[in-house]
Amino acid sequence: DIQLTQSPSFLSASVGDRVTITCRASQGISSYLAWYQQRPGKAPKLLIYAASTLQSGVPSRFSGSGSGTEFTLTISSLQPEDFATYYCQQLNSYPPFGPGTKVDIK
Amino acid sequence: EVQLVESGGGLVKPGGSLRLSCAASGFTFSDYTMNWVRQAPGKGLEWVSSISGSTNYIHYADSVKGRFTISRDNAKNSLSLQMNSPRGEDTAVYYCARGAHFGSGTYYDYWGQGTLVTVSS
Repeated sequence: DIQLTQSPSFLSASVGDRVTITCRASQGISSYLAWYQQRPGKAPKLLIYAASTLQSGVPSRFSGSGSGTEFTLTISSLQPEDFATYYCQQLNSYPPFGPGTKVDIK
Repeated sequence: EVQLVESGGGLVKPGGSLRLSCAASGFTFSDYTMNWVRQAPGKGLEWVSSISGSTNYIHYADSVKGRFTISRDNAKNSLSLQMNSPRGEDTAVYYCARGAHFGSGTYYDYWGQGTLVTVSS
């Protein structure tokens, strides 16, 4: 099985900050990675797939990069609605989801 | 507009049974792999099961294999999860999610609002 880890597990930031979350795979997964945002009490929402492709309707302040074993999700200027938990997901192996990164208000 | 609406959650006793449903609309249901993903209280996301559009391919997480059964009715645009012999660790919000493909991989592009299952005596 391929395992995903995320760092940090918890991040405290302010509105306007640039935020970067890292997802690492235990083996190379090419570009087979997606990112999700989950606000408290809500369903997850797809942000990015294929490591760097922005899902339709997602603000351009979100971007993804990486391939192989290391990937990043960047929020260029954190907005109040971005305080949430972010999960990475590998697309063709199980278990698919990383453990999550909670972004909280500083 | 793609919509996924789960139903059927509630309180169930350990060893009992419960059937979850997901009503889909806004897309050609039979063209898509459908999935169940769950989230225990305060925990992360856990994939549970997947079923291809033609029902040729069905997969389960080891944690539910032999106890849960996924099925779909393409004529009714409906996805189901039959939960038999549930355990306390099955307590979670269960989400229905549509699968989209990138190469040989699947990601989840639309999600329902979730239905809460509580397993307790």
